[in-house]
Amino acid sequence: QKEVEQNSGPLSVPEGAIASLNCTYSDRGSQSFFWYRQYSGKSPELIMFIYSNGDKEDGRFTAQLNKASQYVSLLIRDSQPSDSATYLCAVNKQATGRRALTFGSGTRLQVQP
Amino acid sequence: EAGVAQSPRYKIIEKRQSVAFWCNPISGHATLYWYQQILGQGPKLLIQFQNNGVVDDSQLPKDRFSAERLKGVDSTLKIQPAKLEDSAVYLCASSLLAGGVTDTQYFGPGTRLTVL
Repeated sequence: QKEVEQNSGPLSVPEGAIASLNCTYSDRGSQSFFWYRQYSGKSPELIMFIYSNGDKEDGRFTAQLNKASQYVSLLIRDSQPSDSATYLCAVNKQATGRRALTFGSGTRLQVQP
Repeated sequence: EAGVAQSPRYKIIEKRQSVAFWCNPISGHATLYWYQQILGQGPKLLIQFQNNGVVDDSQLPKDRFSAERLKGVDSTLKIQPAKLEDSAVYLCASSLLAGGVTDTQYFGPGTRLTVL
């Protein structure tokens, strides 16, 4: 079982729709969860992070965390063609000072104009 | 605030040659990471430094990869000798290490390595 699992996609949504990206993780000791966006040929850029159960909103983005189910998701409202990218879920176990992130393989999102 | 700087941006070498990558983190960031990203996969940690000490190098192929951060600021990652499977993007990231669960990593533009 992979430590962080994401559906590779592509997830195709029409412009203006809500895109829902999902991620599951295997280590119950995971403490914080990050969503990065990566355009083709570019490096990952941080969208947002979450560490408490529930929802966290930032503009058009909402992260949702359910630690009991070991599940984290990212909702993108009013999707735009410029949102077309690969979305990486990353988990921080933060054990003994190790803060490095464990990444999923990413979900490719396509927003159709 | 300047971001994470990396050079070179692209490198093409033949197998068995050596190569070195350079990274300068965001000013004041104590922690520096090197990740390897193979096409179609997420980044995978190679090594993590806190100041000039190694925190985690468990996934670094030490027979061919080495890294240093001598003065606790910039860092170099070296591969010697390179193999075909080392073709990837090498990403450097840094974080403030302010403590807590919100310590956030910021990535540089990466170095795309092609081994022929």
